Parts: sequence; structure tokens; C-alpha cells
Amino acid sequence: NAGVMQNPRHLVRRRGQEARLRCSPMKGHSHVYWYRQLPEEGLKFMVYLQKENIIDESGMPKERFSAEFPKEGPSILRIQQVVRGDSAAYFCASSPPEALYEQYFGPGTRLTVT
Amino acid sequence: LAKTTQPISMDSYEGQEVNITCSHNNIATNDYITWYQQFPSQGPRFIIQGYKTKVTNEVASLFIPADRKSSTLSLPRVSLSDTAVYYCLVGALYSGNTPLVFGKGTRLSVIA
Repeated sequence: NAGVMQNPRHLVRRRGQEARLRCSPMKGHSHVYWYRQLPEEGLKFMVYLQKENIIDESGMPKERFSAEFPKEGPSILRIQQVVRGDSAAYFCASSPPEALYEQYFGPGTRLTVT
Repeated sequence: LAKTTQPISMDSYEGQEVNITCSHNNIATNDYITWYQQFPSQGPRFIIQGYKTKVTNEVASLFIPADRKSSTLSLPRVSLSDTAVYYCLVGALYSGNTPLVFGKGTRLSVIA
């Protein structure tokens, strides 16, 4: 059973460009979570999704950030018009519906904005 | 969400048992206690979860006293590869709208 997959692992964008991060959950997991981690900081929750639904986006900035988890395909975290402050590691996690706190994390995407 | 407090860092020698205590004074009746481990440049990894008394798996043990206001993660005979940040989280297992809240964790350094 493959783990959570994220791509790309590293992404470099210039200020003003768009960043698109992908996450494929573990097989059988219908819940996906996105977190952001700044250097030497803990993980900050951004958004929680189920298939075709955003359940909780309380941690996601209101502007420039969006997330989706379509019926088919991976979950996408999209950051429009990136700024230097968006540089961070973005982690995706998935969980089965009966164990929401037992989350399995992907390897992360390291976004660098130049 | 119950707030957690844990030491910022700990040092240990190889082969010793390490106990990391987490305080969660305002834990709610439906809350579970979950511990994660994170290595540098990797995503966190689920270690163990419990509600009360003691839970043990192949990696660690979790001790929870009767009042549940604290918990202790016990790592037996640590090795250099156990050097990581350990996070204690408290929350309702089936609460669909409650996100995981990671604090700064405890940075464990294992010394040869």
C-alpha cells in the first residue's frame, strides 16, 4: 500500500507566479489535510477536505490560496501570485474516516519563492 | 481544543529510556492523546494514540494517569535514529471539523 504521495518535492517560483502542489492520499483514505511548516516552526493547519468538499479551511489565508479535492485525481493546493513569505514546506496528510487523528503524512513539497 | 505543554528539548544517551511528558490540563471527555514524530525534512509520523491508562506498540508506550491531565511518551532504549521532534496532540477523534494543532514539540537529541 503506497503512502501519501506529493509532487513536486521541490518547487521554485518567482514572485507573482502561481504554485500548484499535488497530493495523492493513501488508498482507502477519503480525508485530506494540508499543513504549512516554516523553518524551525511547528506545522500549521491550513485546510481539511473530503472528496469534492472543503470541510474546514480556517487555517488558510483568505486571499491567493485555494484547495480542492476532486472526485477523480489528487488534491491540489494552489497559491496564486506567490510572495517570498510563502516559502515553506507544505505537507499533505490523509486519514481513514474512522480515525481522523491517525494521519499519514507525505514527504512534503518545499516551495522556494525567489 | 485542549492546549498542550511539553519540554522544548531533551538530550539522552543511546540505550537509555526516554520519557517525554505532555501537560493538557483542559482535556475534554471526548479527547484522545496522540503523539507524532518528525525527522528533519520529512512529514510527521504517527507513533501512538491513547485515551487512558497505558497503550503499548512496537515503537513506544503511552502512559495516561487517571485524571488524564498529562501523558508520558516512553521510548525504550533509544538509538541515534530516534533523534527527532516529538509532538503531543489532544483532540476529539471523530470531530470532523477539528484540525490537528501541532505545537513546537520536543526536540530529542540522542547522543552516542
